[in-house]
Amino acid sequence: SYVLTQPPSESVAPGQTARISCGGKNIDGKSVHWFQQKPGQAPLLVIEYDSDRPSGIPERFSGSNSGNTATLTISRVEAGDEADYYCQVWDSRSDHPVFGGGTKLTVL
Amino acid sequence: EVQLVESGGGLVQPGGSLRLSCAGSGFTFGNHAMSWVRQAPGKGLEWVSGISGSGRNPYYADSVKGRFTVSRDNSRNTVSLLINNVRAEDTAIYYCAKDKRQADWLSGLFDYWGQGTLVTVSA
Repeated sequence: SYVLTQPPSESVAPGQTARISCGGKNIDGKSVHWFQQKPGQAPLLVIEYDSDRPSGIPERFSGSNSGNTATLTISRVEAGDEADYYCQVWDSRSDHPVFGGGTKLTVL
Repeated sequence: EVQLVESGGGLVQPGGSLRLSCAGSGFTFGNHAMSWVRQAPGKGLEWVSGISGSGRNPYYADSVKGRFTVSRDNSRNTVSLLINNVRAEDTAIYYCAKDKRQADWLSGLFDYWGQGTLVTVSA
């Protein structure tokens, strides 16, 4: 099935910009969704359809998708953004959703 | 307010069976596909099964096909996952997730998740 590749970890200082990548073959032909998961909590949808923010998600969260890489960007990072982030797409060949392996974002 | 509440997890012996349930409220349940996503301890998210709003169309990951059965009762606003012949690798938190789109197929865009129910497989 379709494979999504994320870096295991990223770190960023407070106030800086974090960029989390999600690689997949011709991923720009798919819609990418992003989830945030804090310890002990259920995942939370933060970006849908590549770059749309669901209601209640701060404008600091944005997304893009080009070529073989989709990117979640978090501007002006706060301590509360420390979490695991997962990208997800629909795999039309297998007819089911696929998640990336997740990226642990550490705020220094 | 949308709420999803899972139940049915617990300790089960290898080879046994377990039925998980998810009760939904705060939305028109039958208008949305539902999915089960699991997370093994310290690991990432793995989608395992889904079902269309009407219940006519089930979906399964290859890793669980033949052992897992998904069903729903729209009169009770519940979706269930029957796990047969459980294996050690089924140990995980199982989340119920709601499809955002109103359609009778699975779109895979999950806008609400329950808090999960833990399944532990051990002798």
